[in-house]
Amino acid sequence: AQKVTQAQTEISVVEKEDVTLDCVYETRDTTYYLFWYKQPPSGELVFLIRRNSFDEQNEISGRYSWNFQKSTSSFNFTITASQVVDSAVYFCALSEAPHGGTSYGKLTFGQGTILTVHP
Amino acid sequence: SQTIHQWPATLVQPVGSPLSLECTVEGTSNPNLYWYRQAAGRGLQLLFYSVGIGQISSEVPQNLSASRPQDRQFILSSKKLLLSDSGFYLCAWSPGTGGNEQFFGPGTRLTVL
Repeated sequence: AQKVTQAQTEISVVEKEDVTLDCVYETRDTTYYLFWYKQPPSGELVFLIRRNSFDEQNEISGRYSWNFQKSTSSFNFTITASQVVDSAVYFCALSEAPHGGTSYGKLTFGQGTILTVHP
Repeated sequence: SQTIHQWPATLVQPVGSPLSLECTVEGTSNPNLYWYRQAAGRGLQLLFYSVGIGQISSEVPQNLSASRPQDRQFILSSKKLLLSDSGFYLCAWSPGTGGNEQFFGPGTRLTVL
């Protein structure tokens, strides 16, 4: 069974601090996808990034960066120079590869980390 | 570009009343469609998914049902609501091929009294 653990329930930082959100996953699949989503107070989940299990290159997008390490089954998310607008719930998710002739791969979410950035 | 709509945005219903939440996707064909429920602002529970018209798979047995009468329309229903059905309902879609990233609608906040 797949499992995603986000051990940090809540994180509080002051604006301009760097913050890292941890994500640890479990899967028996050799091919899988990892995701991060942001849920601002409005409620809609916003897709941030997808990584497949064969691509361990770290990725940077503006103030966001992701560190994928297969050896430790982790996919951590760092926000550099945090801003108040970064305040949200962040979800890490894991998906198995499509199978059975369909394109469907079940998405398993972690419980989320509530990030609060204070001015 | 693709967009996903959900309505209503909020709903307050008495226990025992029926429910119908609608989700539509624009700008894509043959998407995979999903209904999730989020209780207490944390954790998403997959309720149903569909890989095509009339094809519905249920992840959790419960008081709800889903239907997909058209390619880009996904409906969540109940004949009689329970208090435990309260929550934030999110519809999502993903491309019919590869990737698996899911894109979410704005959600419906349901309160059952």
